[in-house]
Amino acid sequence: SQTIHQWPATLVQPVGSPLSLECTVEGTSNPNLYWYRQAAGRGLQLLFYSVGIGQISSEVPQNLSASRPQDRQFILSSKKLLLSDSGFYLCAWSVPYEQYFGPGTRLTVT
Amino acid sequence: RKEVEQDPGPFNVPEGATVAFNCTYSNSASQSFFWYRQDCRKEPKLLMSVYSSGNEDGRFTAQLNRASQYISLLIRDSKLSDSATYLCVVNPPRDDKIIFGKGTRLHILP
Repeated sequence: SQTIHQWPATLVQPVGSPLSLECTVEGTSNPNLYWYRQAAGRGLQLLFYSVGIGQISSEVPQNLSASRPQDRQFILSSKKLLLSDSGFYLCAWSVPYEQYFGPGTRLTVT
Repeated sequence: RKEVEQDPGPFNVPEGATVAFNCTYSNSASQSFFWYRQDCRKEPKLLMSVYSSGNEDGRFTAQLNRASQYISLLIRDSKLSDSATYLCVVNPPRDDKIIFGKGTRLHILP
């Protein structure tokens, strides 16, 4: 069966510090992968999606970036965090349309 | 018209009652539809797919009305554990991005 892993579960980072969140999927090949952010009490905001290795589409211009170095690995990064980057970051995969989410990373930028 | 719209609620419903909520979508060519459930501070989880012929899973019934461009979720004999936010999901044609509604909050009251 397919599983999706995200780490860390929680993270507190100061403004201006870098960020790296990792997501890996097991039990499936060539999945579409997604990064979402959910601010407190808000809906899901699609940040990036990828249909294959090295293929990244950005939905919202911001100080975040994403990379997909391997088929089942998706990384979200930032060189300098802003206060507004706080939120619940969710990775998801889909084959083809049903999406399955990882447990998420709760990021607080202080 | 927004791509996917939901009444944010909250719907406060006594235990054992039946509750229903709708979700409207703007793209008439949308192909697939889903309902997700999100518990507080957790990731969304797929509740059920919505087929043209309707879909029933225990106390839950999902229906699609293509003419009026909405999907619905009916919960019968509601339980305290049904308290959550219910997200409507629509997949437009020829696109890898799935569109999430902002969710409807449901509180089941003892």
